[in-house]
Amino acid sequence: AQTVTQSQPEMSVQEAETVTLSCTYDTSENNYYLFWYKQPPSRQMILVIRQEAYKQQNATENRFSVNFQKAAKSFSLKISDSQLGDTAMYFCALPGETSGSRLTFGEGTQLTVNP
Amino acid sequence: EPEVTQTPSHQVTQMGQEVILRCVPISNHLYFYWYRQILGQKVEFLVSFYNNEISEKSEIFDDQFSVERPDGSNFTLKIRSTKLEDSAMYFCASSEDSQETQYFGPGTRLLVL
Repeated sequence: AQTVTQSQPEMSVQEAETVTLSCTYDTSENNYYLFWYKQPPSRQMILVIRQEAYKQQNATENRFSVNFQKAAKSFSLKISDSQLGDTAMYFCALPGETSGSRLTFGEGTQLTVNP
Repeated sequence: EPEVTQTPSHQVTQMGQEVILRCVPISNHLYFYWYRQILGQKVEFLVSFYNNEISEKSEIFDDQFSVERPDGSNFTLKIRSTKLEDSAMYFCASSEDSQETQYFGPGTRLLVL
């Protein structure tokens, strides 16, 4: 069975600083995607970034980047130049092993950006 | 930019009543999903749907739940006889292909009294 683990229930960072959220997972697949979703207080689920496991290069999307270590099954999210609007719950997610299958989510990390 | 839409945004119902939650997936997407999130907890998968049939369902998706694509655009989740523990945010999502990015709607907040 696939698992996704986020070991940091809460984190805080000062505005303009950098923060890293950790995620580890387990899967028997060799080719797969990994996702980070953001859930602000409105509770909408917003895609932040995705990583394709067969690509060695870490994904980057503006201030958001990942540190993907396939052998260690680690997928951390780095937020640079944190902004107040980054305050949200962040979920790491992994698709299932069958076609059209579920996303398995981690428990989430509540990030607070302080002014 | 195309997006997934959901109606209603909020629904309050009495225990035992039937509710239908509606979703309009992104138009060229082929895979559709329902998830739920009980307040303070993580997002849980309910069901996935492809080619007019369920492709996968979780243990949560029991006989009181059903899904339907009644026309070319809507995708619905029906809860036949609601229970207090069905109170949650329900998210619809769609993806272009299996394993591709799932895009989520804004959710329907269901409260069962």
